[in-house]
Amino acid sequence: GDSVTQMEGPVTLSEEAFLTINCTYTATGYPSLFWYVQYPGEGLQLLLKATKADDKGSNKGFEATYRKETTSFHLEKGSVQVSDSAVYFCALSNYGGSQGNLIFGKGTKLSVKP
Amino acid sequence: EAGVTQFPSHSVIEKGQTVTLRCDPISGHDNLYWYRRVMGKEIKFLLHFVKESKQDESGMPNNRFLAERTGGTYSTLKVQPAELEDSGVYFCASSLVLGHEQFFGPGTRLTVL
Repeated sequence: GDSVTQMEGPVTLSEEAFLTINCTYTATGYPSLFWYVQYPGEGLQLLLKATKADDKGSNKGFEATYRKETTSFHLEKGSVQVSDSAVYFCALSNYGGSQGNLIFGKGTKLSVKP
Repeated sequence: EAGVTQFPSHSVIEKGQTVTLRCDPISGHDNLYWYRRVMGKEIKFLLHFVKESKQDESGMPNNRFLAERTGGTYSTLKVQPAELEDSGVYFCASSLVLGHEQFFGPGTRLTVL
């Protein structure tokens, strides 16, 4: 079945460092790909998404490109801030037929130190 | 506009007891999803409602779990009787249209002792 694998944390960075969180997927067809973020004490929020190959999703300085040839959707940010400390989840959805559920990776906890 | 809300935020019960979790989706969202995250593992899909109908319940772990969505508004997820392995965080999400962004609630942390 479909699955998502993302690098396990925790990841600790200093402010202004470069961030990469790797995510690869296994899926039939042409899934949509997502990054969700969970800040402390809050629910998951959609950070960015891409719905087809070579699409780049971006938001709040974060970017991820849908690479079908490598089945990857790595999350990057050029300069992290303390406020980016959160748990990041990579996810996919195959909206074929009536399915609508998301399939998540295990999550990566990011801590950014001042 | 209010987001997805869940109640309670935490619940601690003993093995064998019953617990009912509640989710209020964003008003007007026909699609409602339940997910669960067991410690250190992936967030796993449990089931999907479209209005009051169960569209997909393939992720429900066993018949100790019962989900309802009477009237197509809020939903409840009952666990009876609870087992130790049911501990985790239960998330609810809603979306306006199938395939569109899902908006998540803050989750209910369930601890079964």
